[in-house]
Amino acid sequence: SQQGEEDPQALSIQEGENATMNCSYKTSINNLQWYRQNSGRGLVHLILIRSNEREKHSGRLRVTLDTSKKSSSLLITASRAADTASYFCAPTGAFGNEKLTFGTGTRLTIIP
Amino acid sequence: KAGVTQTPRYLIKTRGQQVTLSCSPISGHRSVSWYQQTPGQGLQFLFEYFSETQRNKGNFPGRFSGRQFSNSRSEMNVSTLELGDSALYLCASSFTGTGLNSPLHFGNGTRLTVT
Repeated sequence: SQQGEEDPQALSIQEGENATMNCSYKTSINNLQWYRQNSGRGLVHLILIRSNEREKHSGRLRVTLDTSKKSSSLLITASRAADTASYFCAPTGAFGNEKLTFGTGTRLTIIP
Repeated sequence: KAGVTQTPRYLIKTRGQQVTLSCSPISGHRSVSWYQQTPGQGLQFLFEYFSETQRNKGNFPGRFSGRQFSNSRSEMNVSTLELGDSALYLCASSFTGTGLNSPLHFGNGTRLTVT
């Protein structure tokens, strides 16, 4: 299994602005998943992007994947206070049935 | 459809005791994974069970163990508790298990405090 590395570690923006966070990984993947965690709660799955996809949208979320650079980005548009959370990426190795591991995440704070 | 249910929500134990945490996955999900989350170490993978068999294991001492029942419900046990075991323990279920385009669905965790 491999672990993604999120960047930046922390991000503070004004409500209404867009937030971008990045994820890098080391080896070939089957897919890459993004999760959100509100303080003290479980993680919530946001988006899964397969290795043969380059971009995926879900509401105000846009995820891109560049397998040549082994990186992904998560864009949250028109941020809201409720978007305040930690965001984690989880790359899944090419061989399936591997454990899903998480990095330290990006801590996003939306300032009202 | 009911989500992943973890019980209890909070637990306070004394060093040296043992504890059992429970997880009920989403109906139809056969894979259950357990994670430990602490401020210092972040999210650490403990183990994954699929159809009552442990399929993956993290780097934790043998004091941490788990099992899965035929109805997919899972328990994890920590024996001889140490102060460092204080953490949020998260359970996650999925249909086929990780790595097969099957996202994880997490419970809200059990907050364990060891005194």
